[in-house]
Amino acid sequence: GQSLEQPSEVTAVEGAIVQINCTYQTSGFYGLSWYQQHDGGAPTFLSYNALDGLEETGRFSSFLSRSDSYGYLLLQELQMKDSASYFCAVNNAGNMLTFGGGTRLMVKP
Amino acid sequence: DAGVIQSPRHEVTEMGQEVTLRCKPISGHDYLFWYRQTMMRGLELLIYFNNNVPIDDSGMPEDRFSAKMPNASFSTLKIQPSEPRDSAVYFCASRHNTEAFFGQGTRLTVV
Repeated sequence: GQSLEQPSEVTAVEGAIVQINCTYQTSGFYGLSWYQQHDGGAPTFLSYNALDGLEETGRFSSFLSRSDSYGYLLLQELQMKDSASYFCAVNNAGNMLTFGGGTRLMVKP
Repeated sequence: DAGVIQSPRHEVTEMGQEVTLRCKPISGHDYLFWYRQTMMRGLELLIYFNNNVPIDDSGMPEDRFSAKMPNASFSTLKIQPSEPRDSAVYFCASRHNTEAFFGQGTRLTVV
C-alpha cells in the first residue's frame, strides 16, 4: 500500500513564507504532485515533481527528494487568498493517484 | 472544453435507496478517477479506469459500491443500498498526463 504524511494545519501571516512538508511510502513511485482546495471547491493542480530538485511556478515552488521519500511545497509572499487546504499526492505504478490527508493553511492579516 | 462535469451537484436520499452519480471526463483524457472526501478520511481513491477499463478498485468500501465506464465520455458510481455513513462529497477526476482535473463534486447526504 501507500501512505502520505503531512501536517494537518499551518498558520502564517500575510507576506510571509510557509513550507508544507510531505513524506510518503509507496511502491513504484513515479512522481509527487501538489493540489490546492478552497472550502467548498474542488482540488486544483499546482505542481508535479518527477525528479529531485526544486520546481518554481510564480510564488509557489515544490521540491522532491526521491532518496528521502520527501517533498515540500513552498509558498512565498502569502496572500489571504492562499488560505486553503493543500494536498500532496503520489503518482505510482499503474498511474494511480493517491492523496495525503491535506494541510489546512490559514493566512492571517 | 467545459472541464469534468459531474451530476447531480447535490443529492439527498433516504437510507436504503439506490444512488447513481455521473461523470463526464475531459475529452481525450485516458484516466478517470473516483474519490470520496470526508473530514474524517480525507480524499480517498475509490476506483480508477484507464481507457475505460477498471484498473484498481481496492478502495471501493464494499459490495454496495459499483462503478462503470461504458465509453470514454461517461462513467457512473452507484451505491445500492445507500447508508448514512456514505454521506460525503464524491469527486470524479480525469487525467491525460501529470495533471488531474476534478469535477465540482457531488455532495451526497443519506438520511
